[in-house]
Amino acid sequence: DQQVKQNSPSLSVQEGRISILNCDYTNSMFDYFLWYKKYPAEGPTFLISISSIKDKNEDGRFTVFLNKSAKHLSLHIVPSQPGDSAVYFCAASAVGNTPLVFGKGTRLSVIA
Amino acid sequence: ETGVTQTPRHLVMGMTNKKSLKCEQHLGHNAMYWYKQSAKKPLELMFVYNFKEQTENNSVPSRFSPECPNSSHLFLHLHTLQPEDSALYLCASSRVWEYERTDTQYFGPGTRLTVL
Repeated sequence: DQQVKQNSPSLSVQEGRISILNCDYTNSMFDYFLWYKKYPAEGPTFLISISSIKDKNEDGRFTVFLNKSAKHLSLHIVPSQPGDSAVYFCAASAVGNTPLVFGKGTRLSVIA
Repeated sequence: ETGVTQTPRHLVMGMTNKKSLKCEQHLGHNAMYWYKQSAKKPLELMFVYNFKEQTENNSVPSRFSPECPNSSHLFLHLHTLQPEDSALYLCASSRVWEYERTDTQYFGPGTRLTVL
């Protein structure tokens, strides 16, 4: 049973446009969410996070939106750049000593 | 010094070999993790160590044996592996607050393992 779902395995966006990556979760105990970016043959890199007490967190070109009632979060990248091409993982955390739960990832391709 | 380091970065081994992967974190964290990432598959959590105690073993075959001698070091001992074990093995660490939460996990660069 997947508690964190990224239903789009891939996404292609033109350079300069907005990239929107989506993530859904089922466990209502999750209250902290993270996005990681991964290049091939490298470890995931932490990108941005959001606590459930907020509905938006922004860091430069990256913004994460959280809709708790829909159990949905999204990562917006604007403007998208070719260097953003990578796999993006959504992860969730609940109170307690349990590891992060990761989604399967979405491969973003930004086309010049 | 980078946060989480892994050695070796690449490893090729035969099915009868014994080798070890090493992970070291310089972030003052108290939890460490091993993940496996196979081609076109999601991250698979293998082992978790909190405060040097193994708290999770996700049905990993016994040919993989973890060791956590202290909160900064984590090893994955490999023996009699199969070709399907070829994958990217990732180490991560985090701060865990007892009865609270697991904080952001930071990953190492991974070891690309090829089993012939």
